[in-house]
Amino acid sequence: EVQLVESGGGLVKPGGSLRLSCTVSGFTFSDYTMTWVRQAPGKRLEWVSSISSVTTNIYNADSLRGRFTVSRDNAKNSLYLQMNSLRAEDTAIYYCAKNKYDILTEPIFDYWGQGILVTVSS
Amino acid sequence: NFMLTQPHSVSESPGKTVTISCTRSSGSIASNFVQWYQQRPGSSPTTVISENNERPSGVPDRFSGSIDSSSNSASLTISGLKTEDEADYYCQSYDVTNRVVFGGGTKLTVL
Repeated sequence: EVQLVESGGGLVKPGGSLRLSCTVSGFTFSDYTMTWVRQAPGKRLEWVSSISSVTTNIYNADSLRGRFTVSRDNAKNSLYLQMNSLRAEDTAIYYCAKNKYDILTEPIFDYWGQGILVTVSS
Repeated sequence: NFMLTQPHSVSESPGKTVTISCTRSSGSIASNFVQWYQQRPGSSPTTVISENNERPSGVPDRFSGSIDSSSNSASLTISGLKTEDEADYYCQSYDVTNRVVFGGGTKLTVL
């Protein structure tokens, strides 16, 4: 059974940093591109970042302006999202998602984690 | 970049058929695959249709997807509606720069 479990969320002050993790099981993690997607309260899904299987290619949403960095550790079956200079508008549930293929040019998601809440507030 | 526009909400009775549209603002709908995700209240999304019309294993055949180049839109059709189908549905595609675009979501009410 494919499982994706996010952790590391919580309350952080504006300007602060947070590192999210996503630990997976049930598939060969090192064979697939992985993605972060977020959803602000009552809003649509918003793509954040994708990383290919061997970390050679990364795509980020332009709106993040380099504040977020995605990475992965294939030995630990884990995906990460380092979030810096956090703003109130970054408040959202953050989901990790497994891409169906290891092709960054075909961002199609087949499994999602349960999500983790990040709240940016003073 | 382009946008995907969905109706804000649709409603239909149990046992009936409903279709949710997703219109691409620029570029051809046929250029890149369209996916559909179901999100029940308080839950994470699940994939119901990928690559325009492929149903993942475990998704009932009541769910089907299609694209229409004449209207530059994709559609999700759910037949034999059940109360458990009540959820938000999001379409998703991507552009030539591989940036991902989600539609605004459609709230399906089964009443």
